[in-house]
Amino acid sequence: AQTVTQSQPEMSVQEAETVTLSCTYDTSESDYYLFWYKQPPSRQMILVIRQEAYKQQNATENRFSVNFQKAAKSFSLKISDSQLGDAAMYFCAYRSVWGGADGLTFGKGTHLIIQP
Amino acid sequence: KAGVTQTPRYLIKTRGQQVTLSCSPISGHRSVSWYQQTPGQGLQFLFEYFSETQRNKGNFPGRFSGRQFSNSRSEMNVSTLELGDSALYLCASSQAGTLLATNEKLFFGSGTQLSVL
Repeated sequence: AQTVTQSQPEMSVQEAETVTLSCTYDTSESDYYLFWYKQPPSRQMILVIRQEAYKQQNATENRFSVNFQKAAKSFSLKISDSQLGDAAMYFCAYRSVWGGADGLTFGKGTHLIIQP
Repeated sequence: KAGVTQTPRYLIKTRGQQVTLSCSPISGHRSVSWYQQTPGQGLQFLFEYFSETQRNKGNFPGRFSGRQFSNSRSEMNVSTLELGDSALYLCASSQAGTLLATNEKLFFGSGTQLSVL
């Protein structure tokens, strides 16, 4: 079974600064997807960014980018120009391309605090 | 386009009772999956349906069951509730292509908060 580890339970950053959230995973598969989801107090999980494992190029979505290191099984999220609205729980998640019993496998999450 | 709708938002039950939660996916989405979120265990996969067929099932006891209707709406049922079933239950839908291949974009609802007393 796959596992996802987020080693930072909480991170704090000043508004307008850059912050990086860490994620490592363990899998024996070669084809998979990786995601970062954001969960604000409203509880709705919102997809921030996704990465296909077969793509070497790191995904980017506006102020959000990832550093995907397949050999190291590392998938970190960088948030540039942090805004107050970025404050939330951030979850790293893994999904096999070909389904499997686990669905999305999530890490425990990182609570991101934005200091004004 | 309306998002994923889960009802009810909050639910209070007592031990031994059963409960049914409902999820309406985004229009056109054929796949619906359910997740349980607790402070201790985090987010755990319950099951996934595609075109009324259960595609995958997580490691939960048989008290947890679900189904999907022909209009893609889904329900999950928990029988003989236990205190440990208190959790946020999240539903997600995706525009999955086939029964075998997953689609990477899951859209989540706001969840149903279940409290078991």
